[in-house]
Amino acid sequence: AQTVTQSQPEMSVQEAETVTLSCTYDTSENNYYLFWYKQPPSRQMILVIRQEAYKQQNATENRFSVNFQKAAKSFSLKISDSQLGDTAMYFCAFMRGTGTYKYIFGTGTRLKVLA
Amino acid sequence: DAMVIQNPRYQVTQFGKPVTLSCSQTLNHNVMYWYQQKSSQAPKLLFHYYDKDFNNEADTPDNFQSRRPNTSFCFLDIRSPGLGDAAMYLCATSRALSAATYEQYFGPGTRLTVT
Repeated sequence: AQTVTQSQPEMSVQEAETVTLSCTYDTSENNYYLFWYKQPPSRQMILVIRQEAYKQQNATENRFSVNFQKAAKSFSLKISDSQLGDTAMYFCAFMRGTGTYKYIFGTGTRLKVLA
Repeated sequence: DAMVIQNPRYQVTQFGKPVTLSCSQTLNHNVMYWYQQKSSQAPKLLFHYYDKDFNNEADTPDNFQSRRPNTSFCFLDIRSPGLGDAAMYLCATSRALSAATYEQYFGPGTRLTVT
């Protein structure tokens, strides 16, 4: 069975600084997808970034980028130039490439950006 | 804008009194999910539909039922809410591509209080 581990329950970062959130996963699959979702306080969950396992290039979306290390089964999220609006719960999620439509979520990291 | 809508946003019910939460989507996605999320925890999948095919999670209590009368709507029925069922209930959708699908789109959630 697949598992997703987020080892940092809470983190804080100064505005304009860079922060990295860690995520590791365990799977025997070769084809899968990884996601980072953001859930701001009292607001809905939205996709931040996704990575296909077959792609070697790390995904990037504006200030958000990932460091995908397939052999190490690691998928960390880097937020550059942190903004107050980045304050949120961040969930890492795994999905097998075939045969399912279900995510496996990590336990989340609560990120607070400090002014 | 295409979106996932949940009604009501806040629901108060009495212990043991049946309650129904609703979800609608304008994305025309064929997969719909119901999650339960308790404070500061990861969303827990209750069940999902692939078109009209219902898929229940093994640990979802019988107290939770669902209906999907058409592509756009999905309902969560809690037959006899207990105090432990107080939570945020999230609806999500995704578009299945062959046997794989990608990101899930979440609604804003319904916060259920049981008195």
